[in-house]
Amino acid sequence: VQLLESGGGLVQPGGSLRLSCVASGFNFNMYAMSWVRQAPGKGLEWVSSISVRGGSTYYADSVEGRFTISRDNSMNTLYLHMNSLSAEDTALFYCAKWGCDGACFDSWGQGTLVTVSS
Amino acid sequence: SSELTQDPAVSVALGQTVTITCQGDSLRMYFVTWYQQKPGQAPVVVIYGKNNRPSGIPDRFSGSNSGNTASLTISGAQAEDEADYYCNCRDTNASPVVFGEGTKLTVL
Repeated sequence: VQLLESGGGLVQPGGSLRLSCVASGFNFNMYAMSWVRQAPGKGLEWVSSISVRGGSTYYADSVEGRFTISRDNSMNTLYLHMNSLSAEDTALFYCAKWGCDGACFDSWGQGTLVTVSS
Repeated sequence: SSELTQDPAVSVALGQTVTITCQGDSLRMYFVTWYQQKPGQAPVVVIYGKNNRPSGIPDRFSGSNSGNTASLTISGAQAEDEADYYCNCRDTNASPVVFGEGTKLTVL
């Protein structure tokens, strides 16, 4: 299993960014997927999840209305569109596979860093 | 969303047994998952479900649940167990999951 995130970088407050996560080594279209972030020196924070076919999406209160999760099963790719970014969104964003028979995030990428600063 | 509470830091002498706890209302309904995170690395599952260990995780790691409290026990802690440990479970509210704040384990 491999999850490879990209799209992070430096963005100004109020700006937008799109993160991508390319999956390989498993049947991507059989698993729910999520984004989890970790601010520098802080703990893990669940951000958003999407069901197998993309019909159901979920968001943390802190990003609701600003972030949009989506997936392209034909491309084995997970996305996170982020708008109205603020300094509080600065974090390492991980892509994670929901496995363990629906009990845990059993695979993680190495993360992509988003820095929001002027 | 619900909360999961963990002690910020715990220490253990090399070779001794240590227990890390996680408290929250969601734990009355759902099993906990424990993740280990070492500096600069992504989290790794050490315990999930009803005390299940993924392949490659030493059997010195075990988990238990009682009421609103989940525990991760490391029996005979090794230097390589020094890491941050996070609990995680399904949430009773609208969001699917919630993480604990993490416990920094120091092996002396």
